Amino acid sequence: GENVEQHPSTLSVQEGDSAVIKCTYSDSASNYFPWYKQELGKRPQLIIDIRSNVGEKKDQRIAVTLNKTAKHFSLHITETQPEDSAVYFCAARVTGNQFYFGTGTSLTVIP
Amino acid sequence: SQTIHQWPATLVQPVGSPLSLECTVEGTSNPNLYWYRQAAGRGLQLLFYSVGIGQISSEVPQNLSASRPQDRQFILSSKKLLLSDSGFYLCAWGTGASQETQYFGPGTRLLVL
Repeated sequence: GENVEQHPSTLSVQEGDSAVIKCTYSDSASNYFPWYKQELGKRPQLIIDIRSNVGEKKDQRIAVTLNKTAKHFSLHITETQPEDSAVYFCAARVTGNQFYFGTGTSLTVIP
Repeated sequence: SQTIHQWPATLVQPVGSPLSLECTVEGTSNPNLYWYRQAAGRGLQLLFYSVGIGQISSEVPQNLSASRPQDRQFILSSKKLLLSDSGFYLCAWGTGASQETQYFGPGTRLLVL
């Protein structure tokens, strides 16, 4: 089955700097890649996603890039703010019903 | 719009007691439904998923079971809880369509003592 690896597991940045989280996947049939943000004690919330026919997608300060050849995708957060502090999960979906999640990145934005 | 509910929100149970967690979805028909467990500070472990009434796929052998008695209802059960069953249980739903995401419920925090 699909295997999703996520790095780094923890990340600290100064407010205003950029943060980058990277994920790799193993199954070339994966065609959908969502990113979730989970604040402490709350449910994961979808923040951005990308489909396999797109290389990059941007939504205000958040962007995701996908390299199908290398089988990796990344989350980029620019001009980080303290409220960006949370755990971020990447996921990959192969054609089918299962989502395969990365192990999470705990992002801390230091004021 | 679609809404997903879980209850209870929190639960404290003794070891060896039974468990029943419920998840319901509103505003959609024939959703895919998922149960995940998240241990403290850890990632998401898929426990079960269902593509229709009575159809359950189990991902991890354990003392938990799942049932889907109605189209928009998903239940997670155990006959005898273990200490290791403690965690944050998340239900999620998705349309089942290719390249579509899944959405999580508010979760149930379970503590087994």
